[in-house]
Order: sequence, then structure tokens, then C-alpha cells
Amino acid sequence: EDQVTQSPEALRLQEGESSSLNCSYTVSGLRGLFWYRQDPGKGPEFLFTLYSAGEEKEKERLKATLTKKESFLHITAPKPEDSATYLCAVPRGDDKIIFGKGTRLHILP
Amino acid sequence: DAGVTQSPTHLIKTRGQQVTLRCSPKSGHDTVSWYQQALGQGPQFIFQYYEEEERQRGNFPDRFSGHQFPNYSSELNVNALWLGDSALYLCASSLRWGEQFFGPGTRLTVL
Repeated sequence: EDQVTQSPEALRLQEGESSSLNCSYTVSGLRGLFWYRQDPGKGPEFLFTLYSAGEEKEKERLKATLTKKESFLHITAPKPEDSATYLCAVPRGDDKIIFGKGTRLHILP
Repeated sequence: DAGVTQSPTHLIKTRGQQVTLRCSPKSGHDTVSWYQQALGQGPQFIFQYYEEEERQRGNFPDRFSGHQFPNYSSELNVNALWLGDSALYLCASSLRWGEQFFGPGTRLTVL
């Protein structure tokens, strides 16, 4: 069964303390992997699409990387405004997209 | 560009009632997908509409139905509501296959 698993479920960091979030997937014929940020009570905000192993993309303090079995979202010197739930998702079949449960990130000032 | 818009923002219904949620896609997007997100969970795919037809469906009962209009806007209908339908309902728009952009969601509470 196709699955997307994110770890850890929750992460508390001090401001400036870098870390990584993990997204592992079991989807045959990967056609891309998406990262989203979601603030409480709001819709997910698109961050990145990664298409092939070895690909990396950056945006401000975030960098996403992709291997054949997992993706990492690296957060460098985070600030309190980076606190959110980070979701990864992979397409399955022609149209379905499967989301992980997310990692709740809390950055302490 | 207003992005993806959804209405209403919040909704309270009682068990057995029916509800209609609405979505307007981002300008230039022709595909609309609907998701249900329970508290603490990732979004669960309900179905996707393209060219006014349902193209894919997740594991949701027939009580969940939808429609897409010629202007690409979409509706999600849920009949015979029960307590477990309480969730944040998200609409996402995209081109035929590509990055999906989400609306702010509709918070549905079933009492």
C-alpha cells in the first residue's frame, strides 16, 4: 500500500537551532514530492516540488532534498515565525495526492 | 489574483442534514481537488474534478458528491451528515497535474 510517513510528529527547537524533518514514502514510480507549510486553521501553503533523487530546493531558511526513498526538509537557524505544521505529499496514479500526517514544528524564542 | 477562495468559512450543522461547500480556483487553473482534514491529521483526498467530471475518488462514501462548473469553480455536497464528518474541508486548484494550491478551508462542525 502506498504510504507517506513523516517524523518526528512534533519538534520543539530553540530559535537558531537547526534541524531536519523527514518524509519517507512507499510509492512506486514517484512522479514528484511536495512540501507544504500549514498554519493552524488555515489551508496548506505550497513550498516545494522535488522530482528526482538528488534534487534540492531552497527558500529562505528551508532546504528540501530528495532520495529514492525519502525527503528531508532542513531548517537552518529557524525563527519563531517558522513555527507551523510541515506536510509532505506524493502523487499516486493520475490524480490522487497522498499526504503524510505532518510534523508540528515549534520554535521557541 | 485572489488565489483559491472557499465559502463559507465556518458552518455548523446537525446530524442528518446536508451541506454544500463552494470553491473558486486560482486564476488559470482548471482542476479542483477536495480534501478532508481531521484535527491532527494530514489532508485526506476526497475527489478531483477536471473538465466538469470526477476524475479520481478517495475512500469516501457516496454521501460525498461534487460538481464542477464551466468556469472551473466547484461544489462539495455532503448528505446525511454525522458527527465524524466534522473537519476542515480544503479545496485545492491546479493545472491538470501539478502543484496544488489550497484555499483557506471551511470548518464544518456537526452536532
